Amino acid sequence: DAKTTQPNSMESNEEEPVHLPCNHSTISGTDYIHWYRQLPSQGPEYVIHGLTSNVNNRMASLAIAEDRKSSTLILHRATLRDAAVYYCILRDLNFGNEKLTFGTGTRLTIIP
Amino acid sequence: NAGVTQTPKFQVLKTGQSMTLQCAQDMNHEYMSWYRQDPGMGLRLIHYSVGAGITDQGEVPNGYNVSRSTTEDFPLRLLSAAPSQTSVYFCASSYSGLAGAVYEQYFGPGTRLTVT
Repeated sequence: DAKTTQPNSMESNEEEPVHLPCNHSTISGTDYIHWYRQLPSQGPEYVIHGLTSNVNNRMASLAIAEDRKSSTLILHRATLRDAAVYYCILRDLNFGNEKLTFGTGTRLTIIP
Repeated sequence: NAGVTQTPKFQVLKTGQSMTLQCAQDMNHEYMSWYRQDPGMGLRLIHYSVGAGITDQGEVPNGYNVSRSTTEDFPLRLLSAAPSQTSVYFCASSYSGLAGAVYEQYFGPGTRLTVT
């Protein structure tokens, strides 16, 4: 399975944008890029996913590099509730299965 | 919808005891899975199921059994608990479609298990 690399931790001020990077240099053409986050003492929750084009939803934006070897999750205006561990995950959909392989993620701290 | 529910929330076992962690979902999802999360680590896949009657092993299946007799339920059984199985266990579910389809996974709140 292709692997992802994320910084262990990041800090950001409240109400400012946050850019969470993810490197995936061995990504294959059929890998989707998924982001999940895990709030303290909760199960992970889906944030966003994409294949080649940038994606926006109500929670965040996903910017994907043209060569797809990296991506950035963008929280446009961080709140204290966004403090969580963010996981960048690649999933190959050629096999029609839904297995997710979690790394250790990036722990995001929001400073009031 | 209640989403994905897990019981119990907390459990303490002695070494050698057996128990079943319950997981249920009311979203008619075909795919269900179990993960464990050890302190400071990401989630690791234990077992998964793509539909009733079909299960398969994940990354760390040893010491655990599963079965899927209904779409709604996916219990995880610890056969003979060991201290190494102390962890937080999460159940997840999603639709399971054709290759190329993308569905988000929904996770339960977790069961915190301690084996002494």
